[in-house]
Amino acid sequence: GAGVSQSPSNKVTEKGKDVELRCDPISGHTALYWYRQSLGQGLEFLIYFQGNSAPDKSGLPSDRFSAERTGGSVSTLTIQRTQQEDSAVYLCASSPLQQTQYFGPGTRLLVL
Amino acid sequence: KNEVEQSPQNLTAQEGEFITINCSYSVGISALHWLQQHPGGGIVSLFMLSSGKKKHGRLIATINIQEKHSSLHITASHPRDSAVYICAVRSMDYGGSQGNLIFGKGTKLSVKP
Repeated sequence: GAGVSQSPSNKVTEKGKDVELRCDPISGHTALYWYRQSLGQGLEFLIYFQGNSAPDKSGLPSDRFSAERTGGSVSTLTIQRTQQEDSAVYLCASSPLQQTQYFGPGTRLLVL
Repeated sequence: KNEVEQSPQNLTAQEGEFITINCSYSVGISALHWLQQHPGGGIVSLFMLSSGKKKHGRLIATINIQEKHSSLHITASHPRDSAVYICAVRSMDYGGSQGNLIFGKGTKLSVKP
């Protein structure tokens, strides 16, 4: 079956613009995660969705970042008023509850 | 001090060598993950473990909960094993969320033919 997919694969935007990043998890996976990897840095947790529970937003770096997951499937990560420090690879992963995570290919975001 | 420390940061090996990558953590955990990130950026989950030892092909992962330490071993290494290996822990110290993984900075492995 299909793995986790993300779109777009690359995004270049101007500082101050809003961007939306999309994640399509593996069908049936109840958990969905967003991570960020800045150039030369390690992975950083952003947000976690599990079923119908309230998402864990503890990793979001500022209130410019938000995410939603519609119908327990597709998720969108929105960054408002982008800044240059938002440039990074944004990775999505999904899993059955408390099981191995499957990662998407990521979206490379460059804020000019 | 980082909550998850990996060593070494960089490792160069000759094809066929036995490789060990270490991960130490300072928080209580419910699970530990080993991930592999290929040069193109794709990430693959290798292991998730909470005790003992797991083996998959030439890869072996062990964890010692009491010592807060895990190792990833690669037997008969091959150039295609060249990648960044990342240790991540699911902490019990963050309000019970199952999602908040804490990542090590990764170990960059290069296996020469």
